[in-house]
Amino acid sequence: KQEVTQIPAALSVPEGENLVLNCSFTDSAIYNLQWFRQDPGKGLTSLLLIQSSQREQTSGRLNASLDKSSGRSTLYIAASQPGDSATYLCAASFTNAGKSTFGDGTTLTVKP
Amino acid sequence: GAGVSQTPSNKVTEKGKYVELRCDPISGHTALYWYRQSLGQGPEFLIYFQGTGAADDSGLPNDRFFAVRPEGSVSTLKIQRTERGDSAVYLCASSLTGGPLYEQYFGPGTRLTVT
Repeated sequence: KQEVTQIPAALSVPEGENLVLNCSFTDSAIYNLQWFRQDPGKGLTSLLLIQSSQREQTSGRLNASLDKSSGRSTLYIAASQPGDSATYLCAASFTNAGKSTFGDGTTLTVKP
Repeated sequence: GAGVSQTPSNKVTEKGKYVELRCDPISGHTALYWYRQSLGQGPEFLIYFQGTGAADDSGLPNDRFFAVRPEGSVSTLKIQRTERGDSAVYLCASSLTGGPLYEQYFGPGTRLTVT
């Protein structure tokens, strides 16, 4: 069964700290890996999309990496801010149809 | 431009009733996805449309669930004989086309509560 796992479920850091969120998947034959942010009671906001042929993507203070051979992706957040507090979800596409399998997310709290 | 919209934002219904949830994708997006999210969990795939046709409905939990997209734009998720276990947030997403090359953009979701 193709699964996506995110550990830890929750993370708390002081403002200004650099941090890494982890995502692991069971099938190395993925087509893409997408990171999302979800604020309480809201929908998902796309942060970064990494194609299977890519190793990383960057957007502002965010950098996402993909290592298919080890079944891992990481989301690096530089100089964290209280506004970064949210749940971060990763999702992998294991088919070329684009449907995604999600992890259960890591809830990040950045304390002022 | 406008993002993905979903109506209603909240729906409370009694067990056994029929409900319809609507999704308006981003204009020009041919692919549309429905997911269901329970509290504390990631979204679970329900169904994927490419144009008007359901290309993959493998995530629909049973035959009480049905979805349509008759003109290749707006989609409606229909749930018959609702059960308390159907309570969840139903999310819709669209992308420029099907396949892994394009990001999925999500709507705000419809929170369904079955009493």
